[in-house]
Formats: sequence, structure tokens, C-alpha cells
Amino acid sequence: QQQVRQSSQSLTVWEGETAILNCSYENSAFDYFPWYQQFPGEGPALLIAIRSVSDKKEDGRFTIFFNKREKNLSLHIKDSQPGDSATYFCAANYNQGKLIFGQGTKLSIKP
Amino acid sequence: AQTIHQWPVAEIKAVGSPLSLGCTIKGKSSPNLYWYWQATGGTLQQLFYSITVGQVESVVQLNLSASRPKDDQFILSTEKLLLSHSGFYLCAWSLGTGGGDTQYFGPGTRLLVL
Repeated sequence: QQQVRQSSQSLTVWEGETAILNCSYENSAFDYFPWYQQFPGEGPALLIAIRSVSDKKEDGRFTIFFNKREKNLSLHIKDSQPGDSATYFCAANYNQGKLIFGQGTKLSIKP
Repeated sequence: AQTIHQWPVAEIKAVGSPLSLGCTIKGKSSPNLYWYWQATGGTLQQLFYSITVGQVESVVQLNLSASRPKDDQFILSTEKLLLSHSGFYLCAWSLGTGGGDTQYFGPGTRLLVL
């Protein structure tokens, strides 16, 4: 059973556009949602995170929109750059450090 | 500043052989530590976590074991490797348990079992 689901395995956008990556979850107990960025051959790096009490979190070009009622969230990357090309993982944390990851979305930015 | 080091960087091992992977955290005292496994092109799966020396909780075993011999060290091991053990092993740390803890990942160890 996939508790955290990312709707796209891959996504391609043009440089300068806004990339939108979607994520949904099943367990209402999930209360913290980090997004990680991973480049090939490297460990994931925290990009931005949101708690379930908020509906929006912004950090520079990255924004998370969170809908608790619908159990979904999205990561918006404004003004996409070629350096943003990576795999993005949505994750959920609910208890004792247990972190559950989605399948990942491979984002490609076309120059 | 805290640093996380994993060793070795990469391994090629034979089926049935033993394995030991290590992780060291510097710059943080008493961190929570985690082991993850990632298949090539796949998601991350949490295997073990530890909140203190000598205490390890299993999330998914996959015929592996983990130990925390020191506050800053986490070891992943098995006596007999399987082909299915191939993948990318990641160590992570956080400051404390509970919702809201950010986990920070190391550079990983690439394992190929033949």
C-alpha cells in the first residue's frame, strides 16, 4: 500500500516556467511533509517542508501548497532553471522519526 | 558545522558474503540516526532508526541488521548478502524524534551484489 503517492514519475518544463509537482497521502496522522531534492549519485537534500497546520510555505522560488481536507500537497518551482533538474521526493513524517517517501518525480528543465 | 560521513563510497560484493557499512556524524551530540535503502531509480525505504547508543529499532529488515556502538556511529551489516541487497544505502540524522524533525542525509554507499 503506497501511503505517499506522487502523481508523475517524470515532468518536463521549459526554463523560466513554473514546475508543479503533486503529492497525495492516505494517513490523516501524517503531520509534517518535507520535500527532498536528489541529484544522481548523491543523497537527498531537504528543499522545503510544511506542517499540517499550515496551508502554504514559501522559500525563495519554492512554494508548498497544502490541502489537509483533500490530503494532497504540491511543490511549485517558479522560474525553473536547468540546475533544478533532479528527482524530487515528497515525504511524510508522523511518529518517532518514521519518514515515508513517495516514488519521486524526475524533473527535467529544457533550456 | 555538522558533517555526515559514510563508508565505503561503493562496494562490489559476492552473493553470500558478509557486509558492513558505516556512518559517522560529527558536530552533533546524541543525534537520532537512520538507515535507508534505495533501489536504482526507486524510492527511499527506511530500514532502521536509533535514538541512543545501543538501541536500534527495525522498520523493515530485508535480512539486514544495524547497531549503534557509539553516539556518533551507526553500522549496517549482514552475514550473507543477497542479490536483492544491491542498491544505494543512505544514513541520515535528526535532532530529535516526533513529527517535525528534519532528517539530513549522507552521501550514500553504492552496493552491487553479484
